[in-house]
Parts: sequence; C-alpha cells; structure tokens
Amino acid sequence: GENVEQHPSTLSVQEGDSAVIKCTYSDSASNYFPWYKQELGKRPQLIIDIRSNVGEKKDQRIAVTLNKTAKHFSLHITETQPEDSAVYFCAASNRGRSGSQGNLIFGKGTKLSVKP
Amino acid sequence: NAGVMQNPRHLVRRRGQEARLRCSPMKGHSHVYWYRQLPEEGLKFMVYLQKENIIDESGMPKERFSAEFPKEGPSILRIQQVVRGDSAAYFCASSPSAGQGLSYTFGSGTRLTVV
Repeated sequence: GENVEQHPSTLSVQEGDSAVIKCTYSDSASNYFPWYKQELGKRPQLIIDIRSNVGEKKDQRIAVTLNKTAKHFSLHITETQPEDSAVYFCAASNRGRSGSQGNLIFGKGTKLSVKP
Repeated sequence: NAGVMQNPRHLVRRRGQEARLRCSPMKGHSHVYWYRQLPEEGLKFMVYLQKENIIDESGMPKERFSAEFPKEGPSILRIQQVVRGDSAAYFCASSPSAGQGLSYTFGSGTRLTVV
C-alpha cells in the first residue's frame, strides 16, 4: 500500500516569510494529492489539492508542486500570517482493489508557527 | 447542506465499556472513511465503507473494533471493551461517488476518553 513521509515535523517562520512543507509517496499509481489544514481542536480542512496530470497549482498565497518522477510534492505558503499557524497534513491516494477508488493515506503532519 | 455530522463530540467511557461513534455523510456522498488521531499525531486510516459494504478495513485493529454503514442511517464505529490506549480523536470523512475523486470532507470528530 501507499506510504507518505512528511517533513519537517515543526516549522517556525516570521510573519511575511515563506513556508515550504515537503512530502514523498511510495506508490507510483497514486494520482491525487490533497493538503489539509487543522487548527487546534478542529477538523482537518482541505486547502488545496493537485492531480497527477498537473505539475503545479496555485491559489492566492498557497501553491502546490508535484514531481511524479521523484514521487514528491510540496506545499508553499507565501507572505505567511499568524492565522496560517496550524498543523498541515499532506496525503496521497491509495490504490483501491481492482482499480476502484481507494482511500487517502496521510503524512504525520507539520506544525507551522508564524511569529508576528 | 449540513456537512459531515459526527456524534457525540465527546465521549467518556470506563475501561471495559463499549463506545459507539456515529457518522452521517454529506448529502450525496456514498463513501465513508474513519480515521484515528492520537494527540500530537497524524491521521491514521482505519476503514473505508460504502453502503452495506466494507471496502477496505486494513487499518482496523483485529480485535474489539468494527464498523458498519447500513442501508439506512449513519455509519457506526464500534469499540468493544475499551482500553486507555483507545483514547483519541476519531474523525469520519465522506466523499462523492467513485469517479469523482477523493475530495474528502471531514466531520468535527468524536473525542473518546477512556478512564
């Protein structure tokens, strides 16, 4: 099955700086890579996702890049703000049986702290 | 659209009791997934269900844990004879029918405390 590694586990940046979180996956058949943000005591919420037919996707201050050959993908947050402080999880789709829809396997998370 | 509804939000059980966690998927979603999150840790996959079918239970502990998603009503995650190590947040997510991708929506979770 799929295995997702995420790093760093903690990241501290100054407000206005950029933050980059990296993930690698093991299953070359994975084709969907979402990123979730989880604030303390709350549910994980989807912030951006990318499919394997695209190399980069951007949404305002957030961008995700995907390198299928190297099997890694990254989250980039520019002009960070204190409200970006949260735990961020990457995930990769797990191949389902007989090619059917599988499930998401998550990385262990990155705790991002943005200092004012 | 009420989103993914989980209840209860908080559940306290004594060791040896049973815990029943409920999840109602978003309207139009037929796929349900259960994840466990230990404090300061990530989301660990437990089980994936469609109506009346368990699709993948590779993340479920072999004993004491079971899940169902009946034709009518919510999905249920059942933990029998709970132990302190079962204390965690249990999140349910749902997604649309196959072919529309794995765009999960998570519920608010059930925080289980075993005393």
